Amino acid sequence: GNSVTQMEGPVTLSEEAFLTINCTYTATGYPSLFWYVQYPGEGLQLLLKATKADDKGSNKGFEATYRKETTSFHLEKGSVQVSDSAVYFCALVGAAGNKLTFGGGTRVLVKP
Amino acid sequence: GAVVSQHPSRVICKSGTSVKIECRSLDFQATTMFWYRQFPKKSLMLMATSNEGSKATYEQGVEKDKFLINHASLTLSTLTVTSAHPEDSSFYICSPKTSDGDSDTQYFGPGTRLTVL
Repeated sequence: GNSVTQMEGPVTLSEEAFLTINCTYTATGYPSLFWYVQYPGEGLQLLLKATKADDKGSNKGFEATYRKETTSFHLEKGSVQVSDSAVYFCALVGAAGNKLTFGGGTRVLVKP
Repeated sequence: GAVVSQHPSRVICKSGTSVKIECRSLDFQATTMFWYRQFPKKSLMLMATSNEGSKATYEQGVEKDKFLINHASLTLSTLTVTSAHPEDSSFYICSPKTSDGDSDTQYFGPGTRLTVL
């Protein structure tokens, strides 16, 4: 079956630091890949997505590139802000299905 | 963007009682509704999928008679936890999906925290 593995947190950073959250997946065919963000007290929100190999999703300064050869979709941001403190979930939808499979989530805490 | 509401946001109940959680899509029609459960510091676990007007399809290991799902309209779905017990304490999240051609994007409610004493 499909699975998503992402680095465990919490990740604690200072403001303006570089953030990377690793995500790797297992799936047959070419899944669609997503990053969701959950701010404190709120529901999950789609942050970015990529639907085919080598696509780069980007939003709010975050980027992730769909790497088929390494089955990865690492999330990066060059300069984080306190407002980026949240839990980040990597997820996929398999080529043949419509159900999201989530990674375990990574809590990020940005300190001023 | 799409607005999804859940009510209540948190509920505390006694063991043996039933709790109903409402999920509404406020500015779009949801032909498909997903219900998830999230344990502390864990990922989301899909419980069931329902299409408007149809019976829900439950994931393996999820008791359909305990977690009753109703998706009677395109803007409202409910999850009823029947005869709740402390092990049912969790964070429940609804996730409606539109049929707008973008089949891979889902929206999420803010969640309902259930505590069973």
